[in-house]
Amino acid sequence: RKEVEQDPGPFNVPEGATVAFNCTYSNSASQSFFWYRQDCRKEPKLLMSVYSSGNEDGRFTAQLNRASQYISLLIRDSKLSDSATYLCVVNTALQGAQKLVFGQGTRLTINP
Amino acid sequence: NAGVTQTPKFQVLKTGQSMTLQCAQDMNHEYMSWYRQDPGMGLRLIHYSVGAGITDQGEVPNGYNVSRSTTEDFPLRLLSAAPSQTSVYFCASSPRQLGWQFFGPGTRLTVL
Repeated sequence: RKEVEQDPGPFNVPEGATVAFNCTYSNSASQSFFWYRQDCRKEPKLLMSVYSSGNEDGRFTAQLNRASQYISLLIRDSKLSDSATYLCVVNTALQGAQKLVFGQGTRLTINP
Repeated sequence: NAGVTQTPKFQVLKTGQSMTLQCAQDMNHEYMSWYRQDPGMGLRLIHYSVGAGITDQGEVPNGYNVSRSTTEDFPLRLLSAAPSQTSVYFCASSPRQLGWQFFGPGTRLTVL
C-alpha cells in the first residue's frame, strides 16, 4: 500500500462548480499535511497547509481527519485557472528525521 | 530574489555518461532536496541535506551523488547514466518547516 494515495482523476468539471479531492495516508504518526499545485510542465507550488481544525483560503478549504487518516481539498466557484494537478503531501517524523511523502496527484480540468 | 534555480533545463545523455545537475537557492534555507518525477508516480526523494556539510539518502538514491559545501548550492551528480534515469528532476529548498518546499523549475533529462 502506498503511503499517500490519491485518485489520479482526471476530474473534469464546469466552470463555477464545486469540486473536492480526498487523499489518504497510511502512517498514523504523520504530523503535518499540505496541498501543492502543479501546472503542466511546471514545478509544484505550495497551495496551503492543512490544519487539524480545518482551514480556508479564499475559495479553497482544506480539512484533516486524523481518525480516518485522510485530508481533503474543496474548491468552490472553480475557475479555468484552477486547472492543474493537485498533490497531497504528508510529513512524518520518525526517530528525529522528517520524511516528506508526495501523492501522485489528482488532475483537474475546469471546462468553460 | 531568484528563489531556487536549476541548470540545465533540458539534457540528453548517452548511457554511461556522467553529468551534474546544478541547484542553487538564495533564501538561506537549511533544507535542500532532490526529487525525480515520473509519469504515474509521485515525487520521489533522491537525496537531501539538512545543512552545509550534511547529506543523506532518500527513497531512490542509487546512481546519484550529492554534496553540500555551501548553504546555497546542492548539485546532483549522475555517475553513469542509465535509461531508467530518464525523468524530470526537481530541486527544492525549505526553511525549518519541511513541508514548505520551494521548487526549482526542473531539469528534463533523457538518457538514450
